Amino acid sequence: AQSVSQHNHHVILSEAASLELGCNYSYGGTVNLFWYVQYPGQHLQLLLKYFSGDPLVKGIKGFEAEFIKSKFSFNLRKPSVQWSDTAEYFCAVINTNAGKSTFGDGTTLTVKP
Amino acid sequence: DTEVTQTPKHLVMGMTNKKSLKCEQHMGHRAMYWYKQKAKKPPELMFVYSYEKLSINESVPSRFSPECPNSSLLNLHLHALQPEDSALYLCASSQEWGNYGYTFGSGTRLTVV
Repeated sequence: AQSVSQHNHHVILSEAASLELGCNYSYGGTVNLFWYVQYPGQHLQLLLKYFSGDPLVKGIKGFEAEFIKSKFSFNLRKPSVQWSDTAEYFCAVINTNAGKSTFGDGTTLTVKP
Repeated sequence: DTEVTQTPKHLVMGMTNKKSLKCEQHMGHRAMYWYKQKAKKPPELMFVYSYEKLSINESVPSRFSPECPNSSLLNLHLHALQPEDSALYLCASSQEWGNYGYTFGSGTRLTVV
């Protein structure tokens, strides 16, 4: 069975600090990888996705993520966070064989102004 | 139109009631999904429809009954729910099943009393 692990449950940063949120998955086959963001009171939005090719993917709002196959990781990064980045961040994996998605438990990011 | 629209936004129902949740998208997506999300938890997959056919049922109790009348509509019929079924019910769609990012609706906040 596939699983997704987000090690940071709650991250608190000051504005302009750099961000890295960890995501590791367990599945030996081919996967597609995603990061979603859920701002307070809003619905889930796709931040970025990786299917194949360049393992460094860029998403919206200055976010990027790097797929490291050997480490089964897909960490999310942003060089300089803003107060408006305060939200819940979910990593998700789709097993391309079964088409099933699995979400991590989420990381709550709080950015202090 | 790049949205998934869910109605109603809020629903309170008794344990003997029958109600339905509705989801609509006009992006030409051929896969649609129902997820359940409890507070501070990740979305949990309930059902997947691909080309209007039920492709995945994640062992959801029969008191939840999905229906896909056409490629743009997805319903979730509710009957004899329990208080523990109270949650945010999310609909999502994607271009095809399995290998694309999802567009999520804003959800229906369901309370079972």
